[in-house]
Amino acid sequence: SQKIEQNSEALNIQEGKTATLTCNYTNYSPAYLQWYRQDPGRGPVFLLLIRENEKEKRKERLKVTFDTTLKQSLFHITASQPADSATYLCALLPLGGYNKLIFGAGTRLAVHP
Amino acid sequence: DADVTQTPRNRITKTGKRIMLECSQTKGHDRMYWYRQDPGLGLRLIYYSFDVKDINKGEISDGYSVSRQAQAKFSLSLESAIPNQTALYFCATRTGRNTGELFFGEGSRLTVL
Repeated sequence: SQKIEQNSEALNIQEGKTATLTCNYTNYSPAYLQWYRQDPGRGPVFLLLIRENEKEKRKERLKVTFDTTLKQSLFHITASQPADSATYLCALLPLGGYNKLIFGAGTRLAVHP
Repeated sequence: DADVTQTPRNRITKTGKRIMLECSQTKGHDRMYWYRQDPGLGLRLIYYSFDVKDINKGEISDGYSVSRQAQAKFSLSLESAIPNQTALYFCATRTGRNTGELFFGEGSRLTVL
């Protein structure tokens, strides 16, 4: 069956460390992956997109990698801050997916001072 | 003002009642979506519309209907609400660009007793 999985357990890290979140997928051929941030009681907000032919994308303290062999995307936040605490969602557009993004359940990140 | 506005933000209703959730946007996007979010599950697509005359079912459309009254307005109806429709509902918009990100509203929390 087709699945997109993110670690359901919260990730707790110390301020200043690098947070790494994982998104694994099964039985999809993605055209691209997107990452979103969601704060409690709010709608998700887009962060980054990485295409299937790209290995890495960066934006300020954020970095996303995409390994189509491992069927995995990693999302990194360097020099993490308490304000980075949120739930992070990955979303995949399958090839031929006709603009219908498939979302993972998200991983909650807590950055402690 | 928010680009994507959902009303109501919170609603408690009883089994069997008809409920309408409304969404309006000022982004000028043609594409509008309704998602449902449940704890531990990803955002799941209920319905989507690429223009006023185009309505499409998502993966979980049973028990729901939609109306695209104008380019800027997309409403979701539950004809006869049931308790397992208790969830957080999000409206989202997107440009026609294939890699365009979704812009989400703040969500409508619905509780069906």
